[in-house]
Amino acid sequence: LAKTTQPISMDSYEGQEVNITCSHNNIATNDYITWYQQFPSQGPRFIIQGYKTKVTNEVASLFIPADRKSSTLSLPRVSLSDTAVYYCLVGDPPNNAGNMLTFGGGTRLMVKP
Amino acid sequence: DAGVTQSPTHLIKTRGQQVTLRCSPKSGHDTVSWYQQALGQGPQFIFQYYEEEERQRGNFPDRFSGHQFPNYSSELNVNALLLGDSALYLCASSELGNGELFFGEGSRLTVL
Repeated sequence: LAKTTQPISMDSYEGQEVNITCSHNNIATNDYITWYQQFPSQGPRFIIQGYKTKVTNEVASLFIPADRKSSTLSLPRVSLSDTAVYYCLVGDPPNNAGNMLTFGGGTRLMVKP
Repeated sequence: DAGVTQSPTHLIKTRGQQVTLRCSPKSGHDTVSWYQQALGQGPQFIFQYYEEEERQRGNFPDRFSGHQFPNYSSELNVNALLLGDSALYLCASSELGNGELFFGEGSRLTVL
């Protein structure tokens, strides 16, 4: 399984765009990149998943360069409620049997007023 | 449509005891995975069940065992509890072949 490296923590202010970058130098050809969000005392929640280039949904955007050795989660105009831990995961593609995912330490995002 | 539900939400055990945690997957999901999350750390994969069989297993000792029932619900059993087993135990369900996991709120186990 590809190991991921992401900043331990980040601070931001309400209304700003936040970009969290994750490194995954040994990503395999078939691996997808997935981001989860976790609030205290809750289970992680799926944010976005991608394989290459750019993926956008109603919550975030995911940018993946051509070499796929890193990815950037972009949160537009964050609010206080976006304060959480964000995990970058690399693993089994959606269409294969088994969804084992390895979580790293995550990035603790603190949004300030 | 209920999401993933886990029980109990909190429990306290002493060293050497055994514990059983339960999980009901989201409606329509056939795969259940269990994770252990120590305080301040990311969730660590324990194992995954599909069609009542353990499909994949993380780096956990045999003291950790599980079961999946015909209705897709699942149990996690931990024997001979150690202090280091104190953690939040998360259950996640998914459809086989779909990469999105839906997590429950977790069961917080404290071992004294």
